[in-house]
Parts: sequence; C-alpha cells; structure tokens
Amino acid sequence: GAVVSQHPSRVICKSGTSVKIECRSLDFQATTMFWYRQFPKKSLMLMATSNEGSKATYEQGVEKDKFLINHASLTLSTLTVTSAHPEDSSFYICSARDGGEQYFGPGTRLTVT
Amino acid sequence: QKEVEQNSGPLSVPEGAIASLNCTYSDRGSQSFFWYRQYSGKSPELIMFIYSNGDKEDGRFTAQLNKASQYVSLLIRDSQPSDSATYLCAVRTPSGSARQLTFGSGTQLTVLP
Repeated sequence: GAVVSQHPSRVICKSGTSVKIECRSLDFQATTMFWYRQFPKKSLMLMATSNEGSKATYEQGVEKDKFLINHASLTLSTLTVTSAHPEDSSFYICSARDGGEQYFGPGTRLTVT
Repeated sequence: QKEVEQNSGPLSVPEGAIASLNCTYSDRGSQSFFWYRQYSGKSPELIMFIYSNGDKEDGRFTAQLNKASQYVSLLIRDSQPSDSATYLCAVRTPSGSARQLTFGSGTQLTVLP
C-alpha cells in the first residue's frame, strides 16, 4: 500500500506554545489529506479535510484558528496547533487518499504540559 | 442512528478459531467499504477493501459485503494472538463533501493463546 509519513512522532510542549506536525505522502500525490485526532480508547475523530492549494474544510466544532492547516503541495500537509493547552494533548493522525483507498500516517502523540 | 455501527466488543476468540467482525451502515448509496486494524498506540492500517457484493479473500482475511442488507463483515481465519487489535470499519458515503470515510467506533478483538 501507499506510504504516509508524519513528523514528529512524539512532541512535548509547554502550554501556550505552538506545534507544527507534518504529513507527507511518500510514493504518491495526494490532492486531499485528512487530519484526525484520537483520545485514548476512543474512535477517530475527523478534524478537517485538507485540499492542495485551497483552504481546509473543518468539521463542526473544530476551531480553524487554533488548528491551522496548510496543504502547499501534493505531497505535504501541515497541522499547526496554536497556543496549545493541556486539553489539546492527543494522538493526531493524518491520512491521504491514493485512488480509492485511504492510508494513514503513523501518528503524532502530542503532550502539552 | 449512527452512520456506521460496530459492536464495540470486546470479542475474544481462541487461537486458531475464526473471528467474525460485523459492521452495518445507514447510507444505502455507499459504495466503498474498508477494514482497518489498529494496534494500541498506533495508527490504523488498511487491511481490506471491498466494493462489490460478495466475498473478497486475502490470505487469512475475508471481507463480505451485502449491500441489500447494508452490512459488511470481516472474517479472520486461523486467528493468531498477533491479530489482537481494534478493527475499524469505514464506509465512503457519496453524501460526504469530500467523500471522506466515515468510521465505526471499532471492535476490540482479543485472540487467546
């Protein structure tokens, strides 16, 4: 299957700082990427759909000014968590579609202290 | 009614047995169906997809789709302890603005040695 990478895999930051997470499709071009978050023992929650060259589409209840998404190229999308707070601590996973199938990156575990 | 429903489990089967995971969906127009496996602390991994009614086999895995009854299932033959994970059913519905996947809440499977 297609390969999606994420960086960093783990990050610890202080409350009030911003954190950027990168998502790359390594062997295919992805016009659409998706960002999810997952709390322990809970299901995936779609945060936003990232479209190359245009603004992201956010799901209801997700603050677009807090979770900044940039999809500057067909292989890279970034999620920036601005002014992070402890309640933003979670597992953030990106996903990209290659044809009909959707593949996930390995995830980024964010801990805000 | 949830769009994609799964029995949350946990489902326990002995090693070597057949594990049967079920999923129902509400949007009759759905056309693409996916099974993901997620180990604890890891991101989902695509293991099967099915688009047409009937069975699709890949190694020890068989996906079954019945569009008339709106269910899709995953059978795991000769279950191994390494199959212990949460299995997520995902459906691509035509009503989604970006045709993103809708996930079930997952079924936790434990294969007992």
